[in-house]
Amino acid sequence: QLQLQESGPGLVKPSETLSLTCTVSGASISSGDYYWDWIRQPPGKGLEWIATIYYSGSTYYNPSLKSRVTISVDTSKSQFSLKLSSVTAADTAVYYCARHTPESGNFYWGQGTLVTVSS
Amino acid sequence: QTVVTQEPSFSVSPGGTVTLTCGLSSGSVSNSNYPSWYQQTPGQAPRTFIYNTNIRSSGVPDRFSGSILGNKAALTITGAQADDESDYYCVLYMGSGLWVFGGGTKLTVL
Repeated sequence: QLQLQESGPGLVKPSETLSLTCTVSGASISSGDYYWDWIRQPPGKGLEWIATIYYSGSTYYNPSLKSRVTISVDTSKSQFSLKLSSVTAADTAVYYCARHTPESGNFYWGQGTLVTVSS
Repeated sequence: QTVVTQEPSFSVSPGGTVTLTCGLSSGSVSNSNYPSWYQQTPGQAPRTFIYNTNIRSSGVPDRFSGSILGNKAALTITGAQADDESDYYCVLYMGSGLWVFGGGTKLTVL
């Protein structure tokens, strides 16, 4: 059964870079069957799609975050990662990794990890 | 930037029918947007309920259905139950690998 597990620091200082990793089990990240995503949700607010990567390295970014976001994949470790630079308090959120199948809005989510931006 | 619109809140009586909608600030929603619906309860990750307009996810009761109504995607609950009270989010594909979520609808069953 597919499982997605987010990991990374729960506290990041303003102006620094937020780094998260998603470990995939139960499916091959390099099979080409899925796209791999990062989505976030500020406390008490709605969902925001951040970025998507395909095993080949093709990347897609939310235009509003594109200048600060990098998504990458490490197929040897069955992981994909998110880096968000120059963070502010507005980046405080639960960050979810997810996957979706091509030509489908069926996202399958990890449990999420809360990242707080504070000094 | 395109905004995906949802009703902020909705109320339905137990046993009643309610239709939540998902629209675009500019233009019409179609099947090519792969409209999909998620239920989220407090403290939990979202769960897929309907994807690609009208495909019900495994384990979702058949009182939930999805469709295109006019220029919007719609999630209809027929015979609402107390445990349907939750937040519902839609997501739309905008092309070029980009996705946009709606702001969510808080459904009250009362």
